[in-house]
Amino acid sequence: KAGVTQTPRYLIKTRGQQVTLSCSPISGHRSVSWYQQTPGQGLQFLFEYFSETQRNKGNFPGRFSGRQFSNSRSEMNVSTLELGDSALYLCASSLGPSLLEQFFGPGTRLTVL
Amino acid sequence: GEDVEQSLFLSVREGDSSVINCTYTDSSSTYLYWYKQEPGAGLQLLTYIFSNMDMKQDQRLTVLLNKKDKHLSLRIADTQTGDSAIYFCAESSSGNQFYFGTGTSLTVIP
Repeated sequence: KAGVTQTPRYLIKTRGQQVTLSCSPISGHRSVSWYQQTPGQGLQFLFEYFSETQRNKGNFPGRFSGRQFSNSRSEMNVSTLELGDSALYLCASSLGPSLLEQFFGPGTRLTVL
Repeated sequence: GEDVEQSLFLSVREGDSSVINCTYTDSSSTYLYWYKQEPGAGLQLLTYIFSNMDMKQDQRLTVLLNKKDKHLSLRIADTQTGDSAIYFCAESSSGNQFYFGTGTSLTVIP
């Protein structure tokens, strides 16, 4: 069974641009969560989707948004990029509504110049 | 959000036991987890424990939970060089939102 895949793996953008990251969960998994990982702030929860509905949202500005499609694939979008948005963005999927066992993808490394 | 604290670094000799500690503040935590992150990779779930358990053992891994002190530990027996990684503890109260610790970088010296 294929794991969680994230595309692209690496991305370089400049301030003010916007970016879309993609996550394909493990087949059959319906919940997708997104996390931002930085050296200074560690791992921070962005949001979580289950059956195309956002169920939880972390403490991030409105520039960060996401969505989930009917096939459970998810995208997150960051608009008006800032230098501080440089981070590893991790996606995790789990089978049902509980995130008891989350499986993480390798992440997308975003660098904002 | 909830606070989950870990020491930043741990260094052990190959073959010794490693003990990684974690403290958390949320008294309503229901699930507590340990994840491993190797360089350039995502997080790998190692094990988890329900808050009504005191201990869980899985091969070389032993998780101890002191709910009164809100203290969680991960013991790795017979530590190998392949165990060198960053270890994160995490907690959730409802299973729907995770709070991660700062991570402990484990270095295993051959």
